[in-house]
Amino acid sequence: DIQMTQSPSSLSASVGDRVTITCQASQDISNYLNWYQQKPGKAPKLLIYDASNLETGVPSRFSGSGSGTDFTFTISSLQPEDIATYYCQQYDNLPGTFGQGTRLEIK
Amino acid sequence: QLQLQESGPGLVKPSETLSLTCTVSGGSISSSSYYWGWIRQPPGKGLEWIGSIYYSGSTYYNPSLKSRVTISVDTSKNQFSLKLSSVTAADTAVYYCARQRGLHCSSTSCYRLGRLDYWGQGTLVTVSS
Repeated sequence: DIQMTQSPSSLSASVGDRVTITCQASQDISNYLNWYQQKPGKAPKLLIYDASNLETGVPSRFSGSGSGTDFTFTISSLQPEDIATYYCQQYDNLPGTFGQGTRLEIK
Repeated sequence: QLQLQESGPGLVKPSETLSLTCTVSGGSISSSSYYWGWIRQPPGKGLEWIGSIYYSGSTYYNPSLKSRVTISVDTSKNQFSLKLSSVTAADTAVYYCARQRGLHCSSTSCYRLGRLDYWGQGTLVTVSS
């Protein structure tokens, strides 16, 4: 299986901050990477697909970039409603595997 | 608006079979280019893809669970189902159903499974005697 390593595992930031999460794949996955947001007690929600495409209806403060093995997810200006855990997921090879998650808190 | 809803027992005994159904509304399960999948999340832990099925019956399974998993589809009811046999406490988790985009699809299957774009709310299944 392809291993997906996210960092950091948790982070605390202030409203309005720029927040960046990284995801590293154990092998080249091209751009076959998605990002999800999961709020407590809720199902994950797709935010970014194919590494950099914003899902319909998702605010433009969310963005993604990268290809190959290194990927970045960014929130340009953190809002209180962005408090959640974020997961990357590769789909280059089966099984599609997720990163361990990054828990985002408000400072 | 597409909606998915999981249903099934919340408590299963060790060594028995976990059975869940996902009912799809607001769209057809027979839509081309979409698989229908199951993902689970043990309490306080991360996400694990279990497997997915096409309306034709074509399936992909996680190799780590393949020997115990069966996913089936009932297009007449717009439902798909998960069976996981010989469960242990390690199978205790919230189980989600989701729609999964397929890439490079024919009438019978897709070459690649992509993003999970619609999810059910999830259902907690506890394995305990």
